[in-house]
Amino acid sequence: DVVMTQSPLSLPVTLGQPASISCRSSQSLVYSDGNTYLNWYQQRPGQSPRRLIYKVSNRDSGVPDRFSGSGSGTDFTLKISRVEAEDVGVYYCIQGTHWLPYTFGQGTKLEIK
Amino acid sequence: EVQVVESGGGLVQPGGSLRLSCAASGFTFSTHWMNWVRQSPGKGLEWVANINQDGSEQYYVDSVKGRFTISRDNAKNSLYLQMNSLRAEDTAVYYCARGSSGGWSPWGQGTLVTVSS
Repeated sequence: DVVMTQSPLSLPVTLGQPASISCRSSQSLVYSDGNTYLNWYQQRPGQSPRRLIYKVSNRDSGVPDRFSGSGSGTDFTLKISRVEAEDVGVYYCIQGTHWLPYTFGQGTKLEIK
Repeated sequence: EVQVVESGGGLVQPGGSLRLSCAASGFTFSTHWMNWVRQSPGKGLEWVANINQDGSEQYYVDSVKGRFTISRDNAKNSLYLQMNSLRAEDTAVYYCARGSSGGWSPWGQGTLVTVSS
């Protein structure tokens, strides 16, 4: 199975400051069709996960443009340009390239300092 | 509005069975892969199973193979998860999620399954 490693696991951030979460995979996530199936999800307290970013860098409809995704191969990053109070929660990267099984990062808990 | 809503969770004894349901609305259900994903405090998020558009292909995580069965009824816009021989480690919130080439969206609110005597 592909191992997904997120860092940091805990991320205290001051309101208005940027935040960055790293996600690394144990093997390349480039699929034979040329796509990279690496997605980012946000889980706010008491809520179900919500997709933010799909295929590395595509923002979902309704997701604020302060969220951005980047990376390639085995190294990916989710960035929040200016953290707001509503961004508190746990962020997960999930790979779908080698999807039997799909695998997840451990989650990064973002909190306001 | 595109949404999926799970039901059927509850408390069950080890070795027992439970059937989860997921009602889909707001999109053409028959054109999407569908997934079950679970979340437990000890193991975080774990993909459980998925099924293709016409139900002819099903895939499972190793830990549930032979015990869980995913199915769908496109006429009823519904997804199911039949869970047999339940174990304590199956305790989790179970989410239904619509599949696409870009992952899973949306997810339902989840239904809690507790396996305990």
